[in-house]
Amino acid sequence: ETGVTQSPTHLIKTRGQQVTLRCSSQSGHNTVSWYQQALGQGPQFIFQYYREEENGRGNFPPRFSGLQFPNYSSELNVNALELDDSALYLCASSVRAAGNTIYFGEGSWLTVV
Amino acid sequence: SQELEQSPQSLIVQEGKNLTINCTSSKTLYGLYWYKQKYGEGLIFLMMLQKGGEEKSHEKITAKLDEKKQQSSLHITASQPSHAGIYLCGADYNNNDMRFGAGTRLTVKP
Repeated sequence: ETGVTQSPTHLIKTRGQQVTLRCSSQSGHNTVSWYQQALGQGPQFIFQYYREEENGRGNFPPRFSGLQFPNYSSELNVNALELDDSALYLCASSVRAAGNTIYFGEGSWLTVV
Repeated sequence: SQELEQSPQSLIVQEGKNLTINCTSSKTLYGLYWYKQKYGEGLIFLMMLQKGGEEKSHEKITAKLDEKKQQSSLHITASQPSHAGIYLCGADYNNNDMRFGAGTRLTVKP
């Protein structure tokens, strides 16, 4: 039990559609990061939000966007879905400070057909 | 590109045997995290190492970070079926994000 909740757990979308994934961070955590994990690979960093501002971005195109809300919950939006976007999307929350543990949610499985 | 290399990619051991998983970074780490993941599920935090030469243990799992802070090892003593899963090392390079290795898939045969 990490205190990080993601929804939905599974969803299927059609190529070209848009999707919104949600994350509820652990109470008091002001930093949230999103990761994409394809089958058989380690998680790849998408971006991080700190106090509602984007605070770092990995090698993902602009159609991947996010939001962090005042209560520190977060959304990941993906537009113009492609087949290769099929993956497990993980949300991680933490208190931004050196050496603090980063907690992960259970993830959202996205299948694009 | 992988800044972190994990080895082996997969490992099959008999229950009761010891095993070691390695994680090597191409640059100096600010912090090194070990996580365990069951297939298709979220990551479970195991340990975090920050200081060169640091070693931590939890139950039958021990993790070490070398003095140069570029290599870490995870050692499991007397493995059990409950240890099966994917082990991921994650590196904090003080860039406010975490980079992961590709993972090591561990199977423990009863």
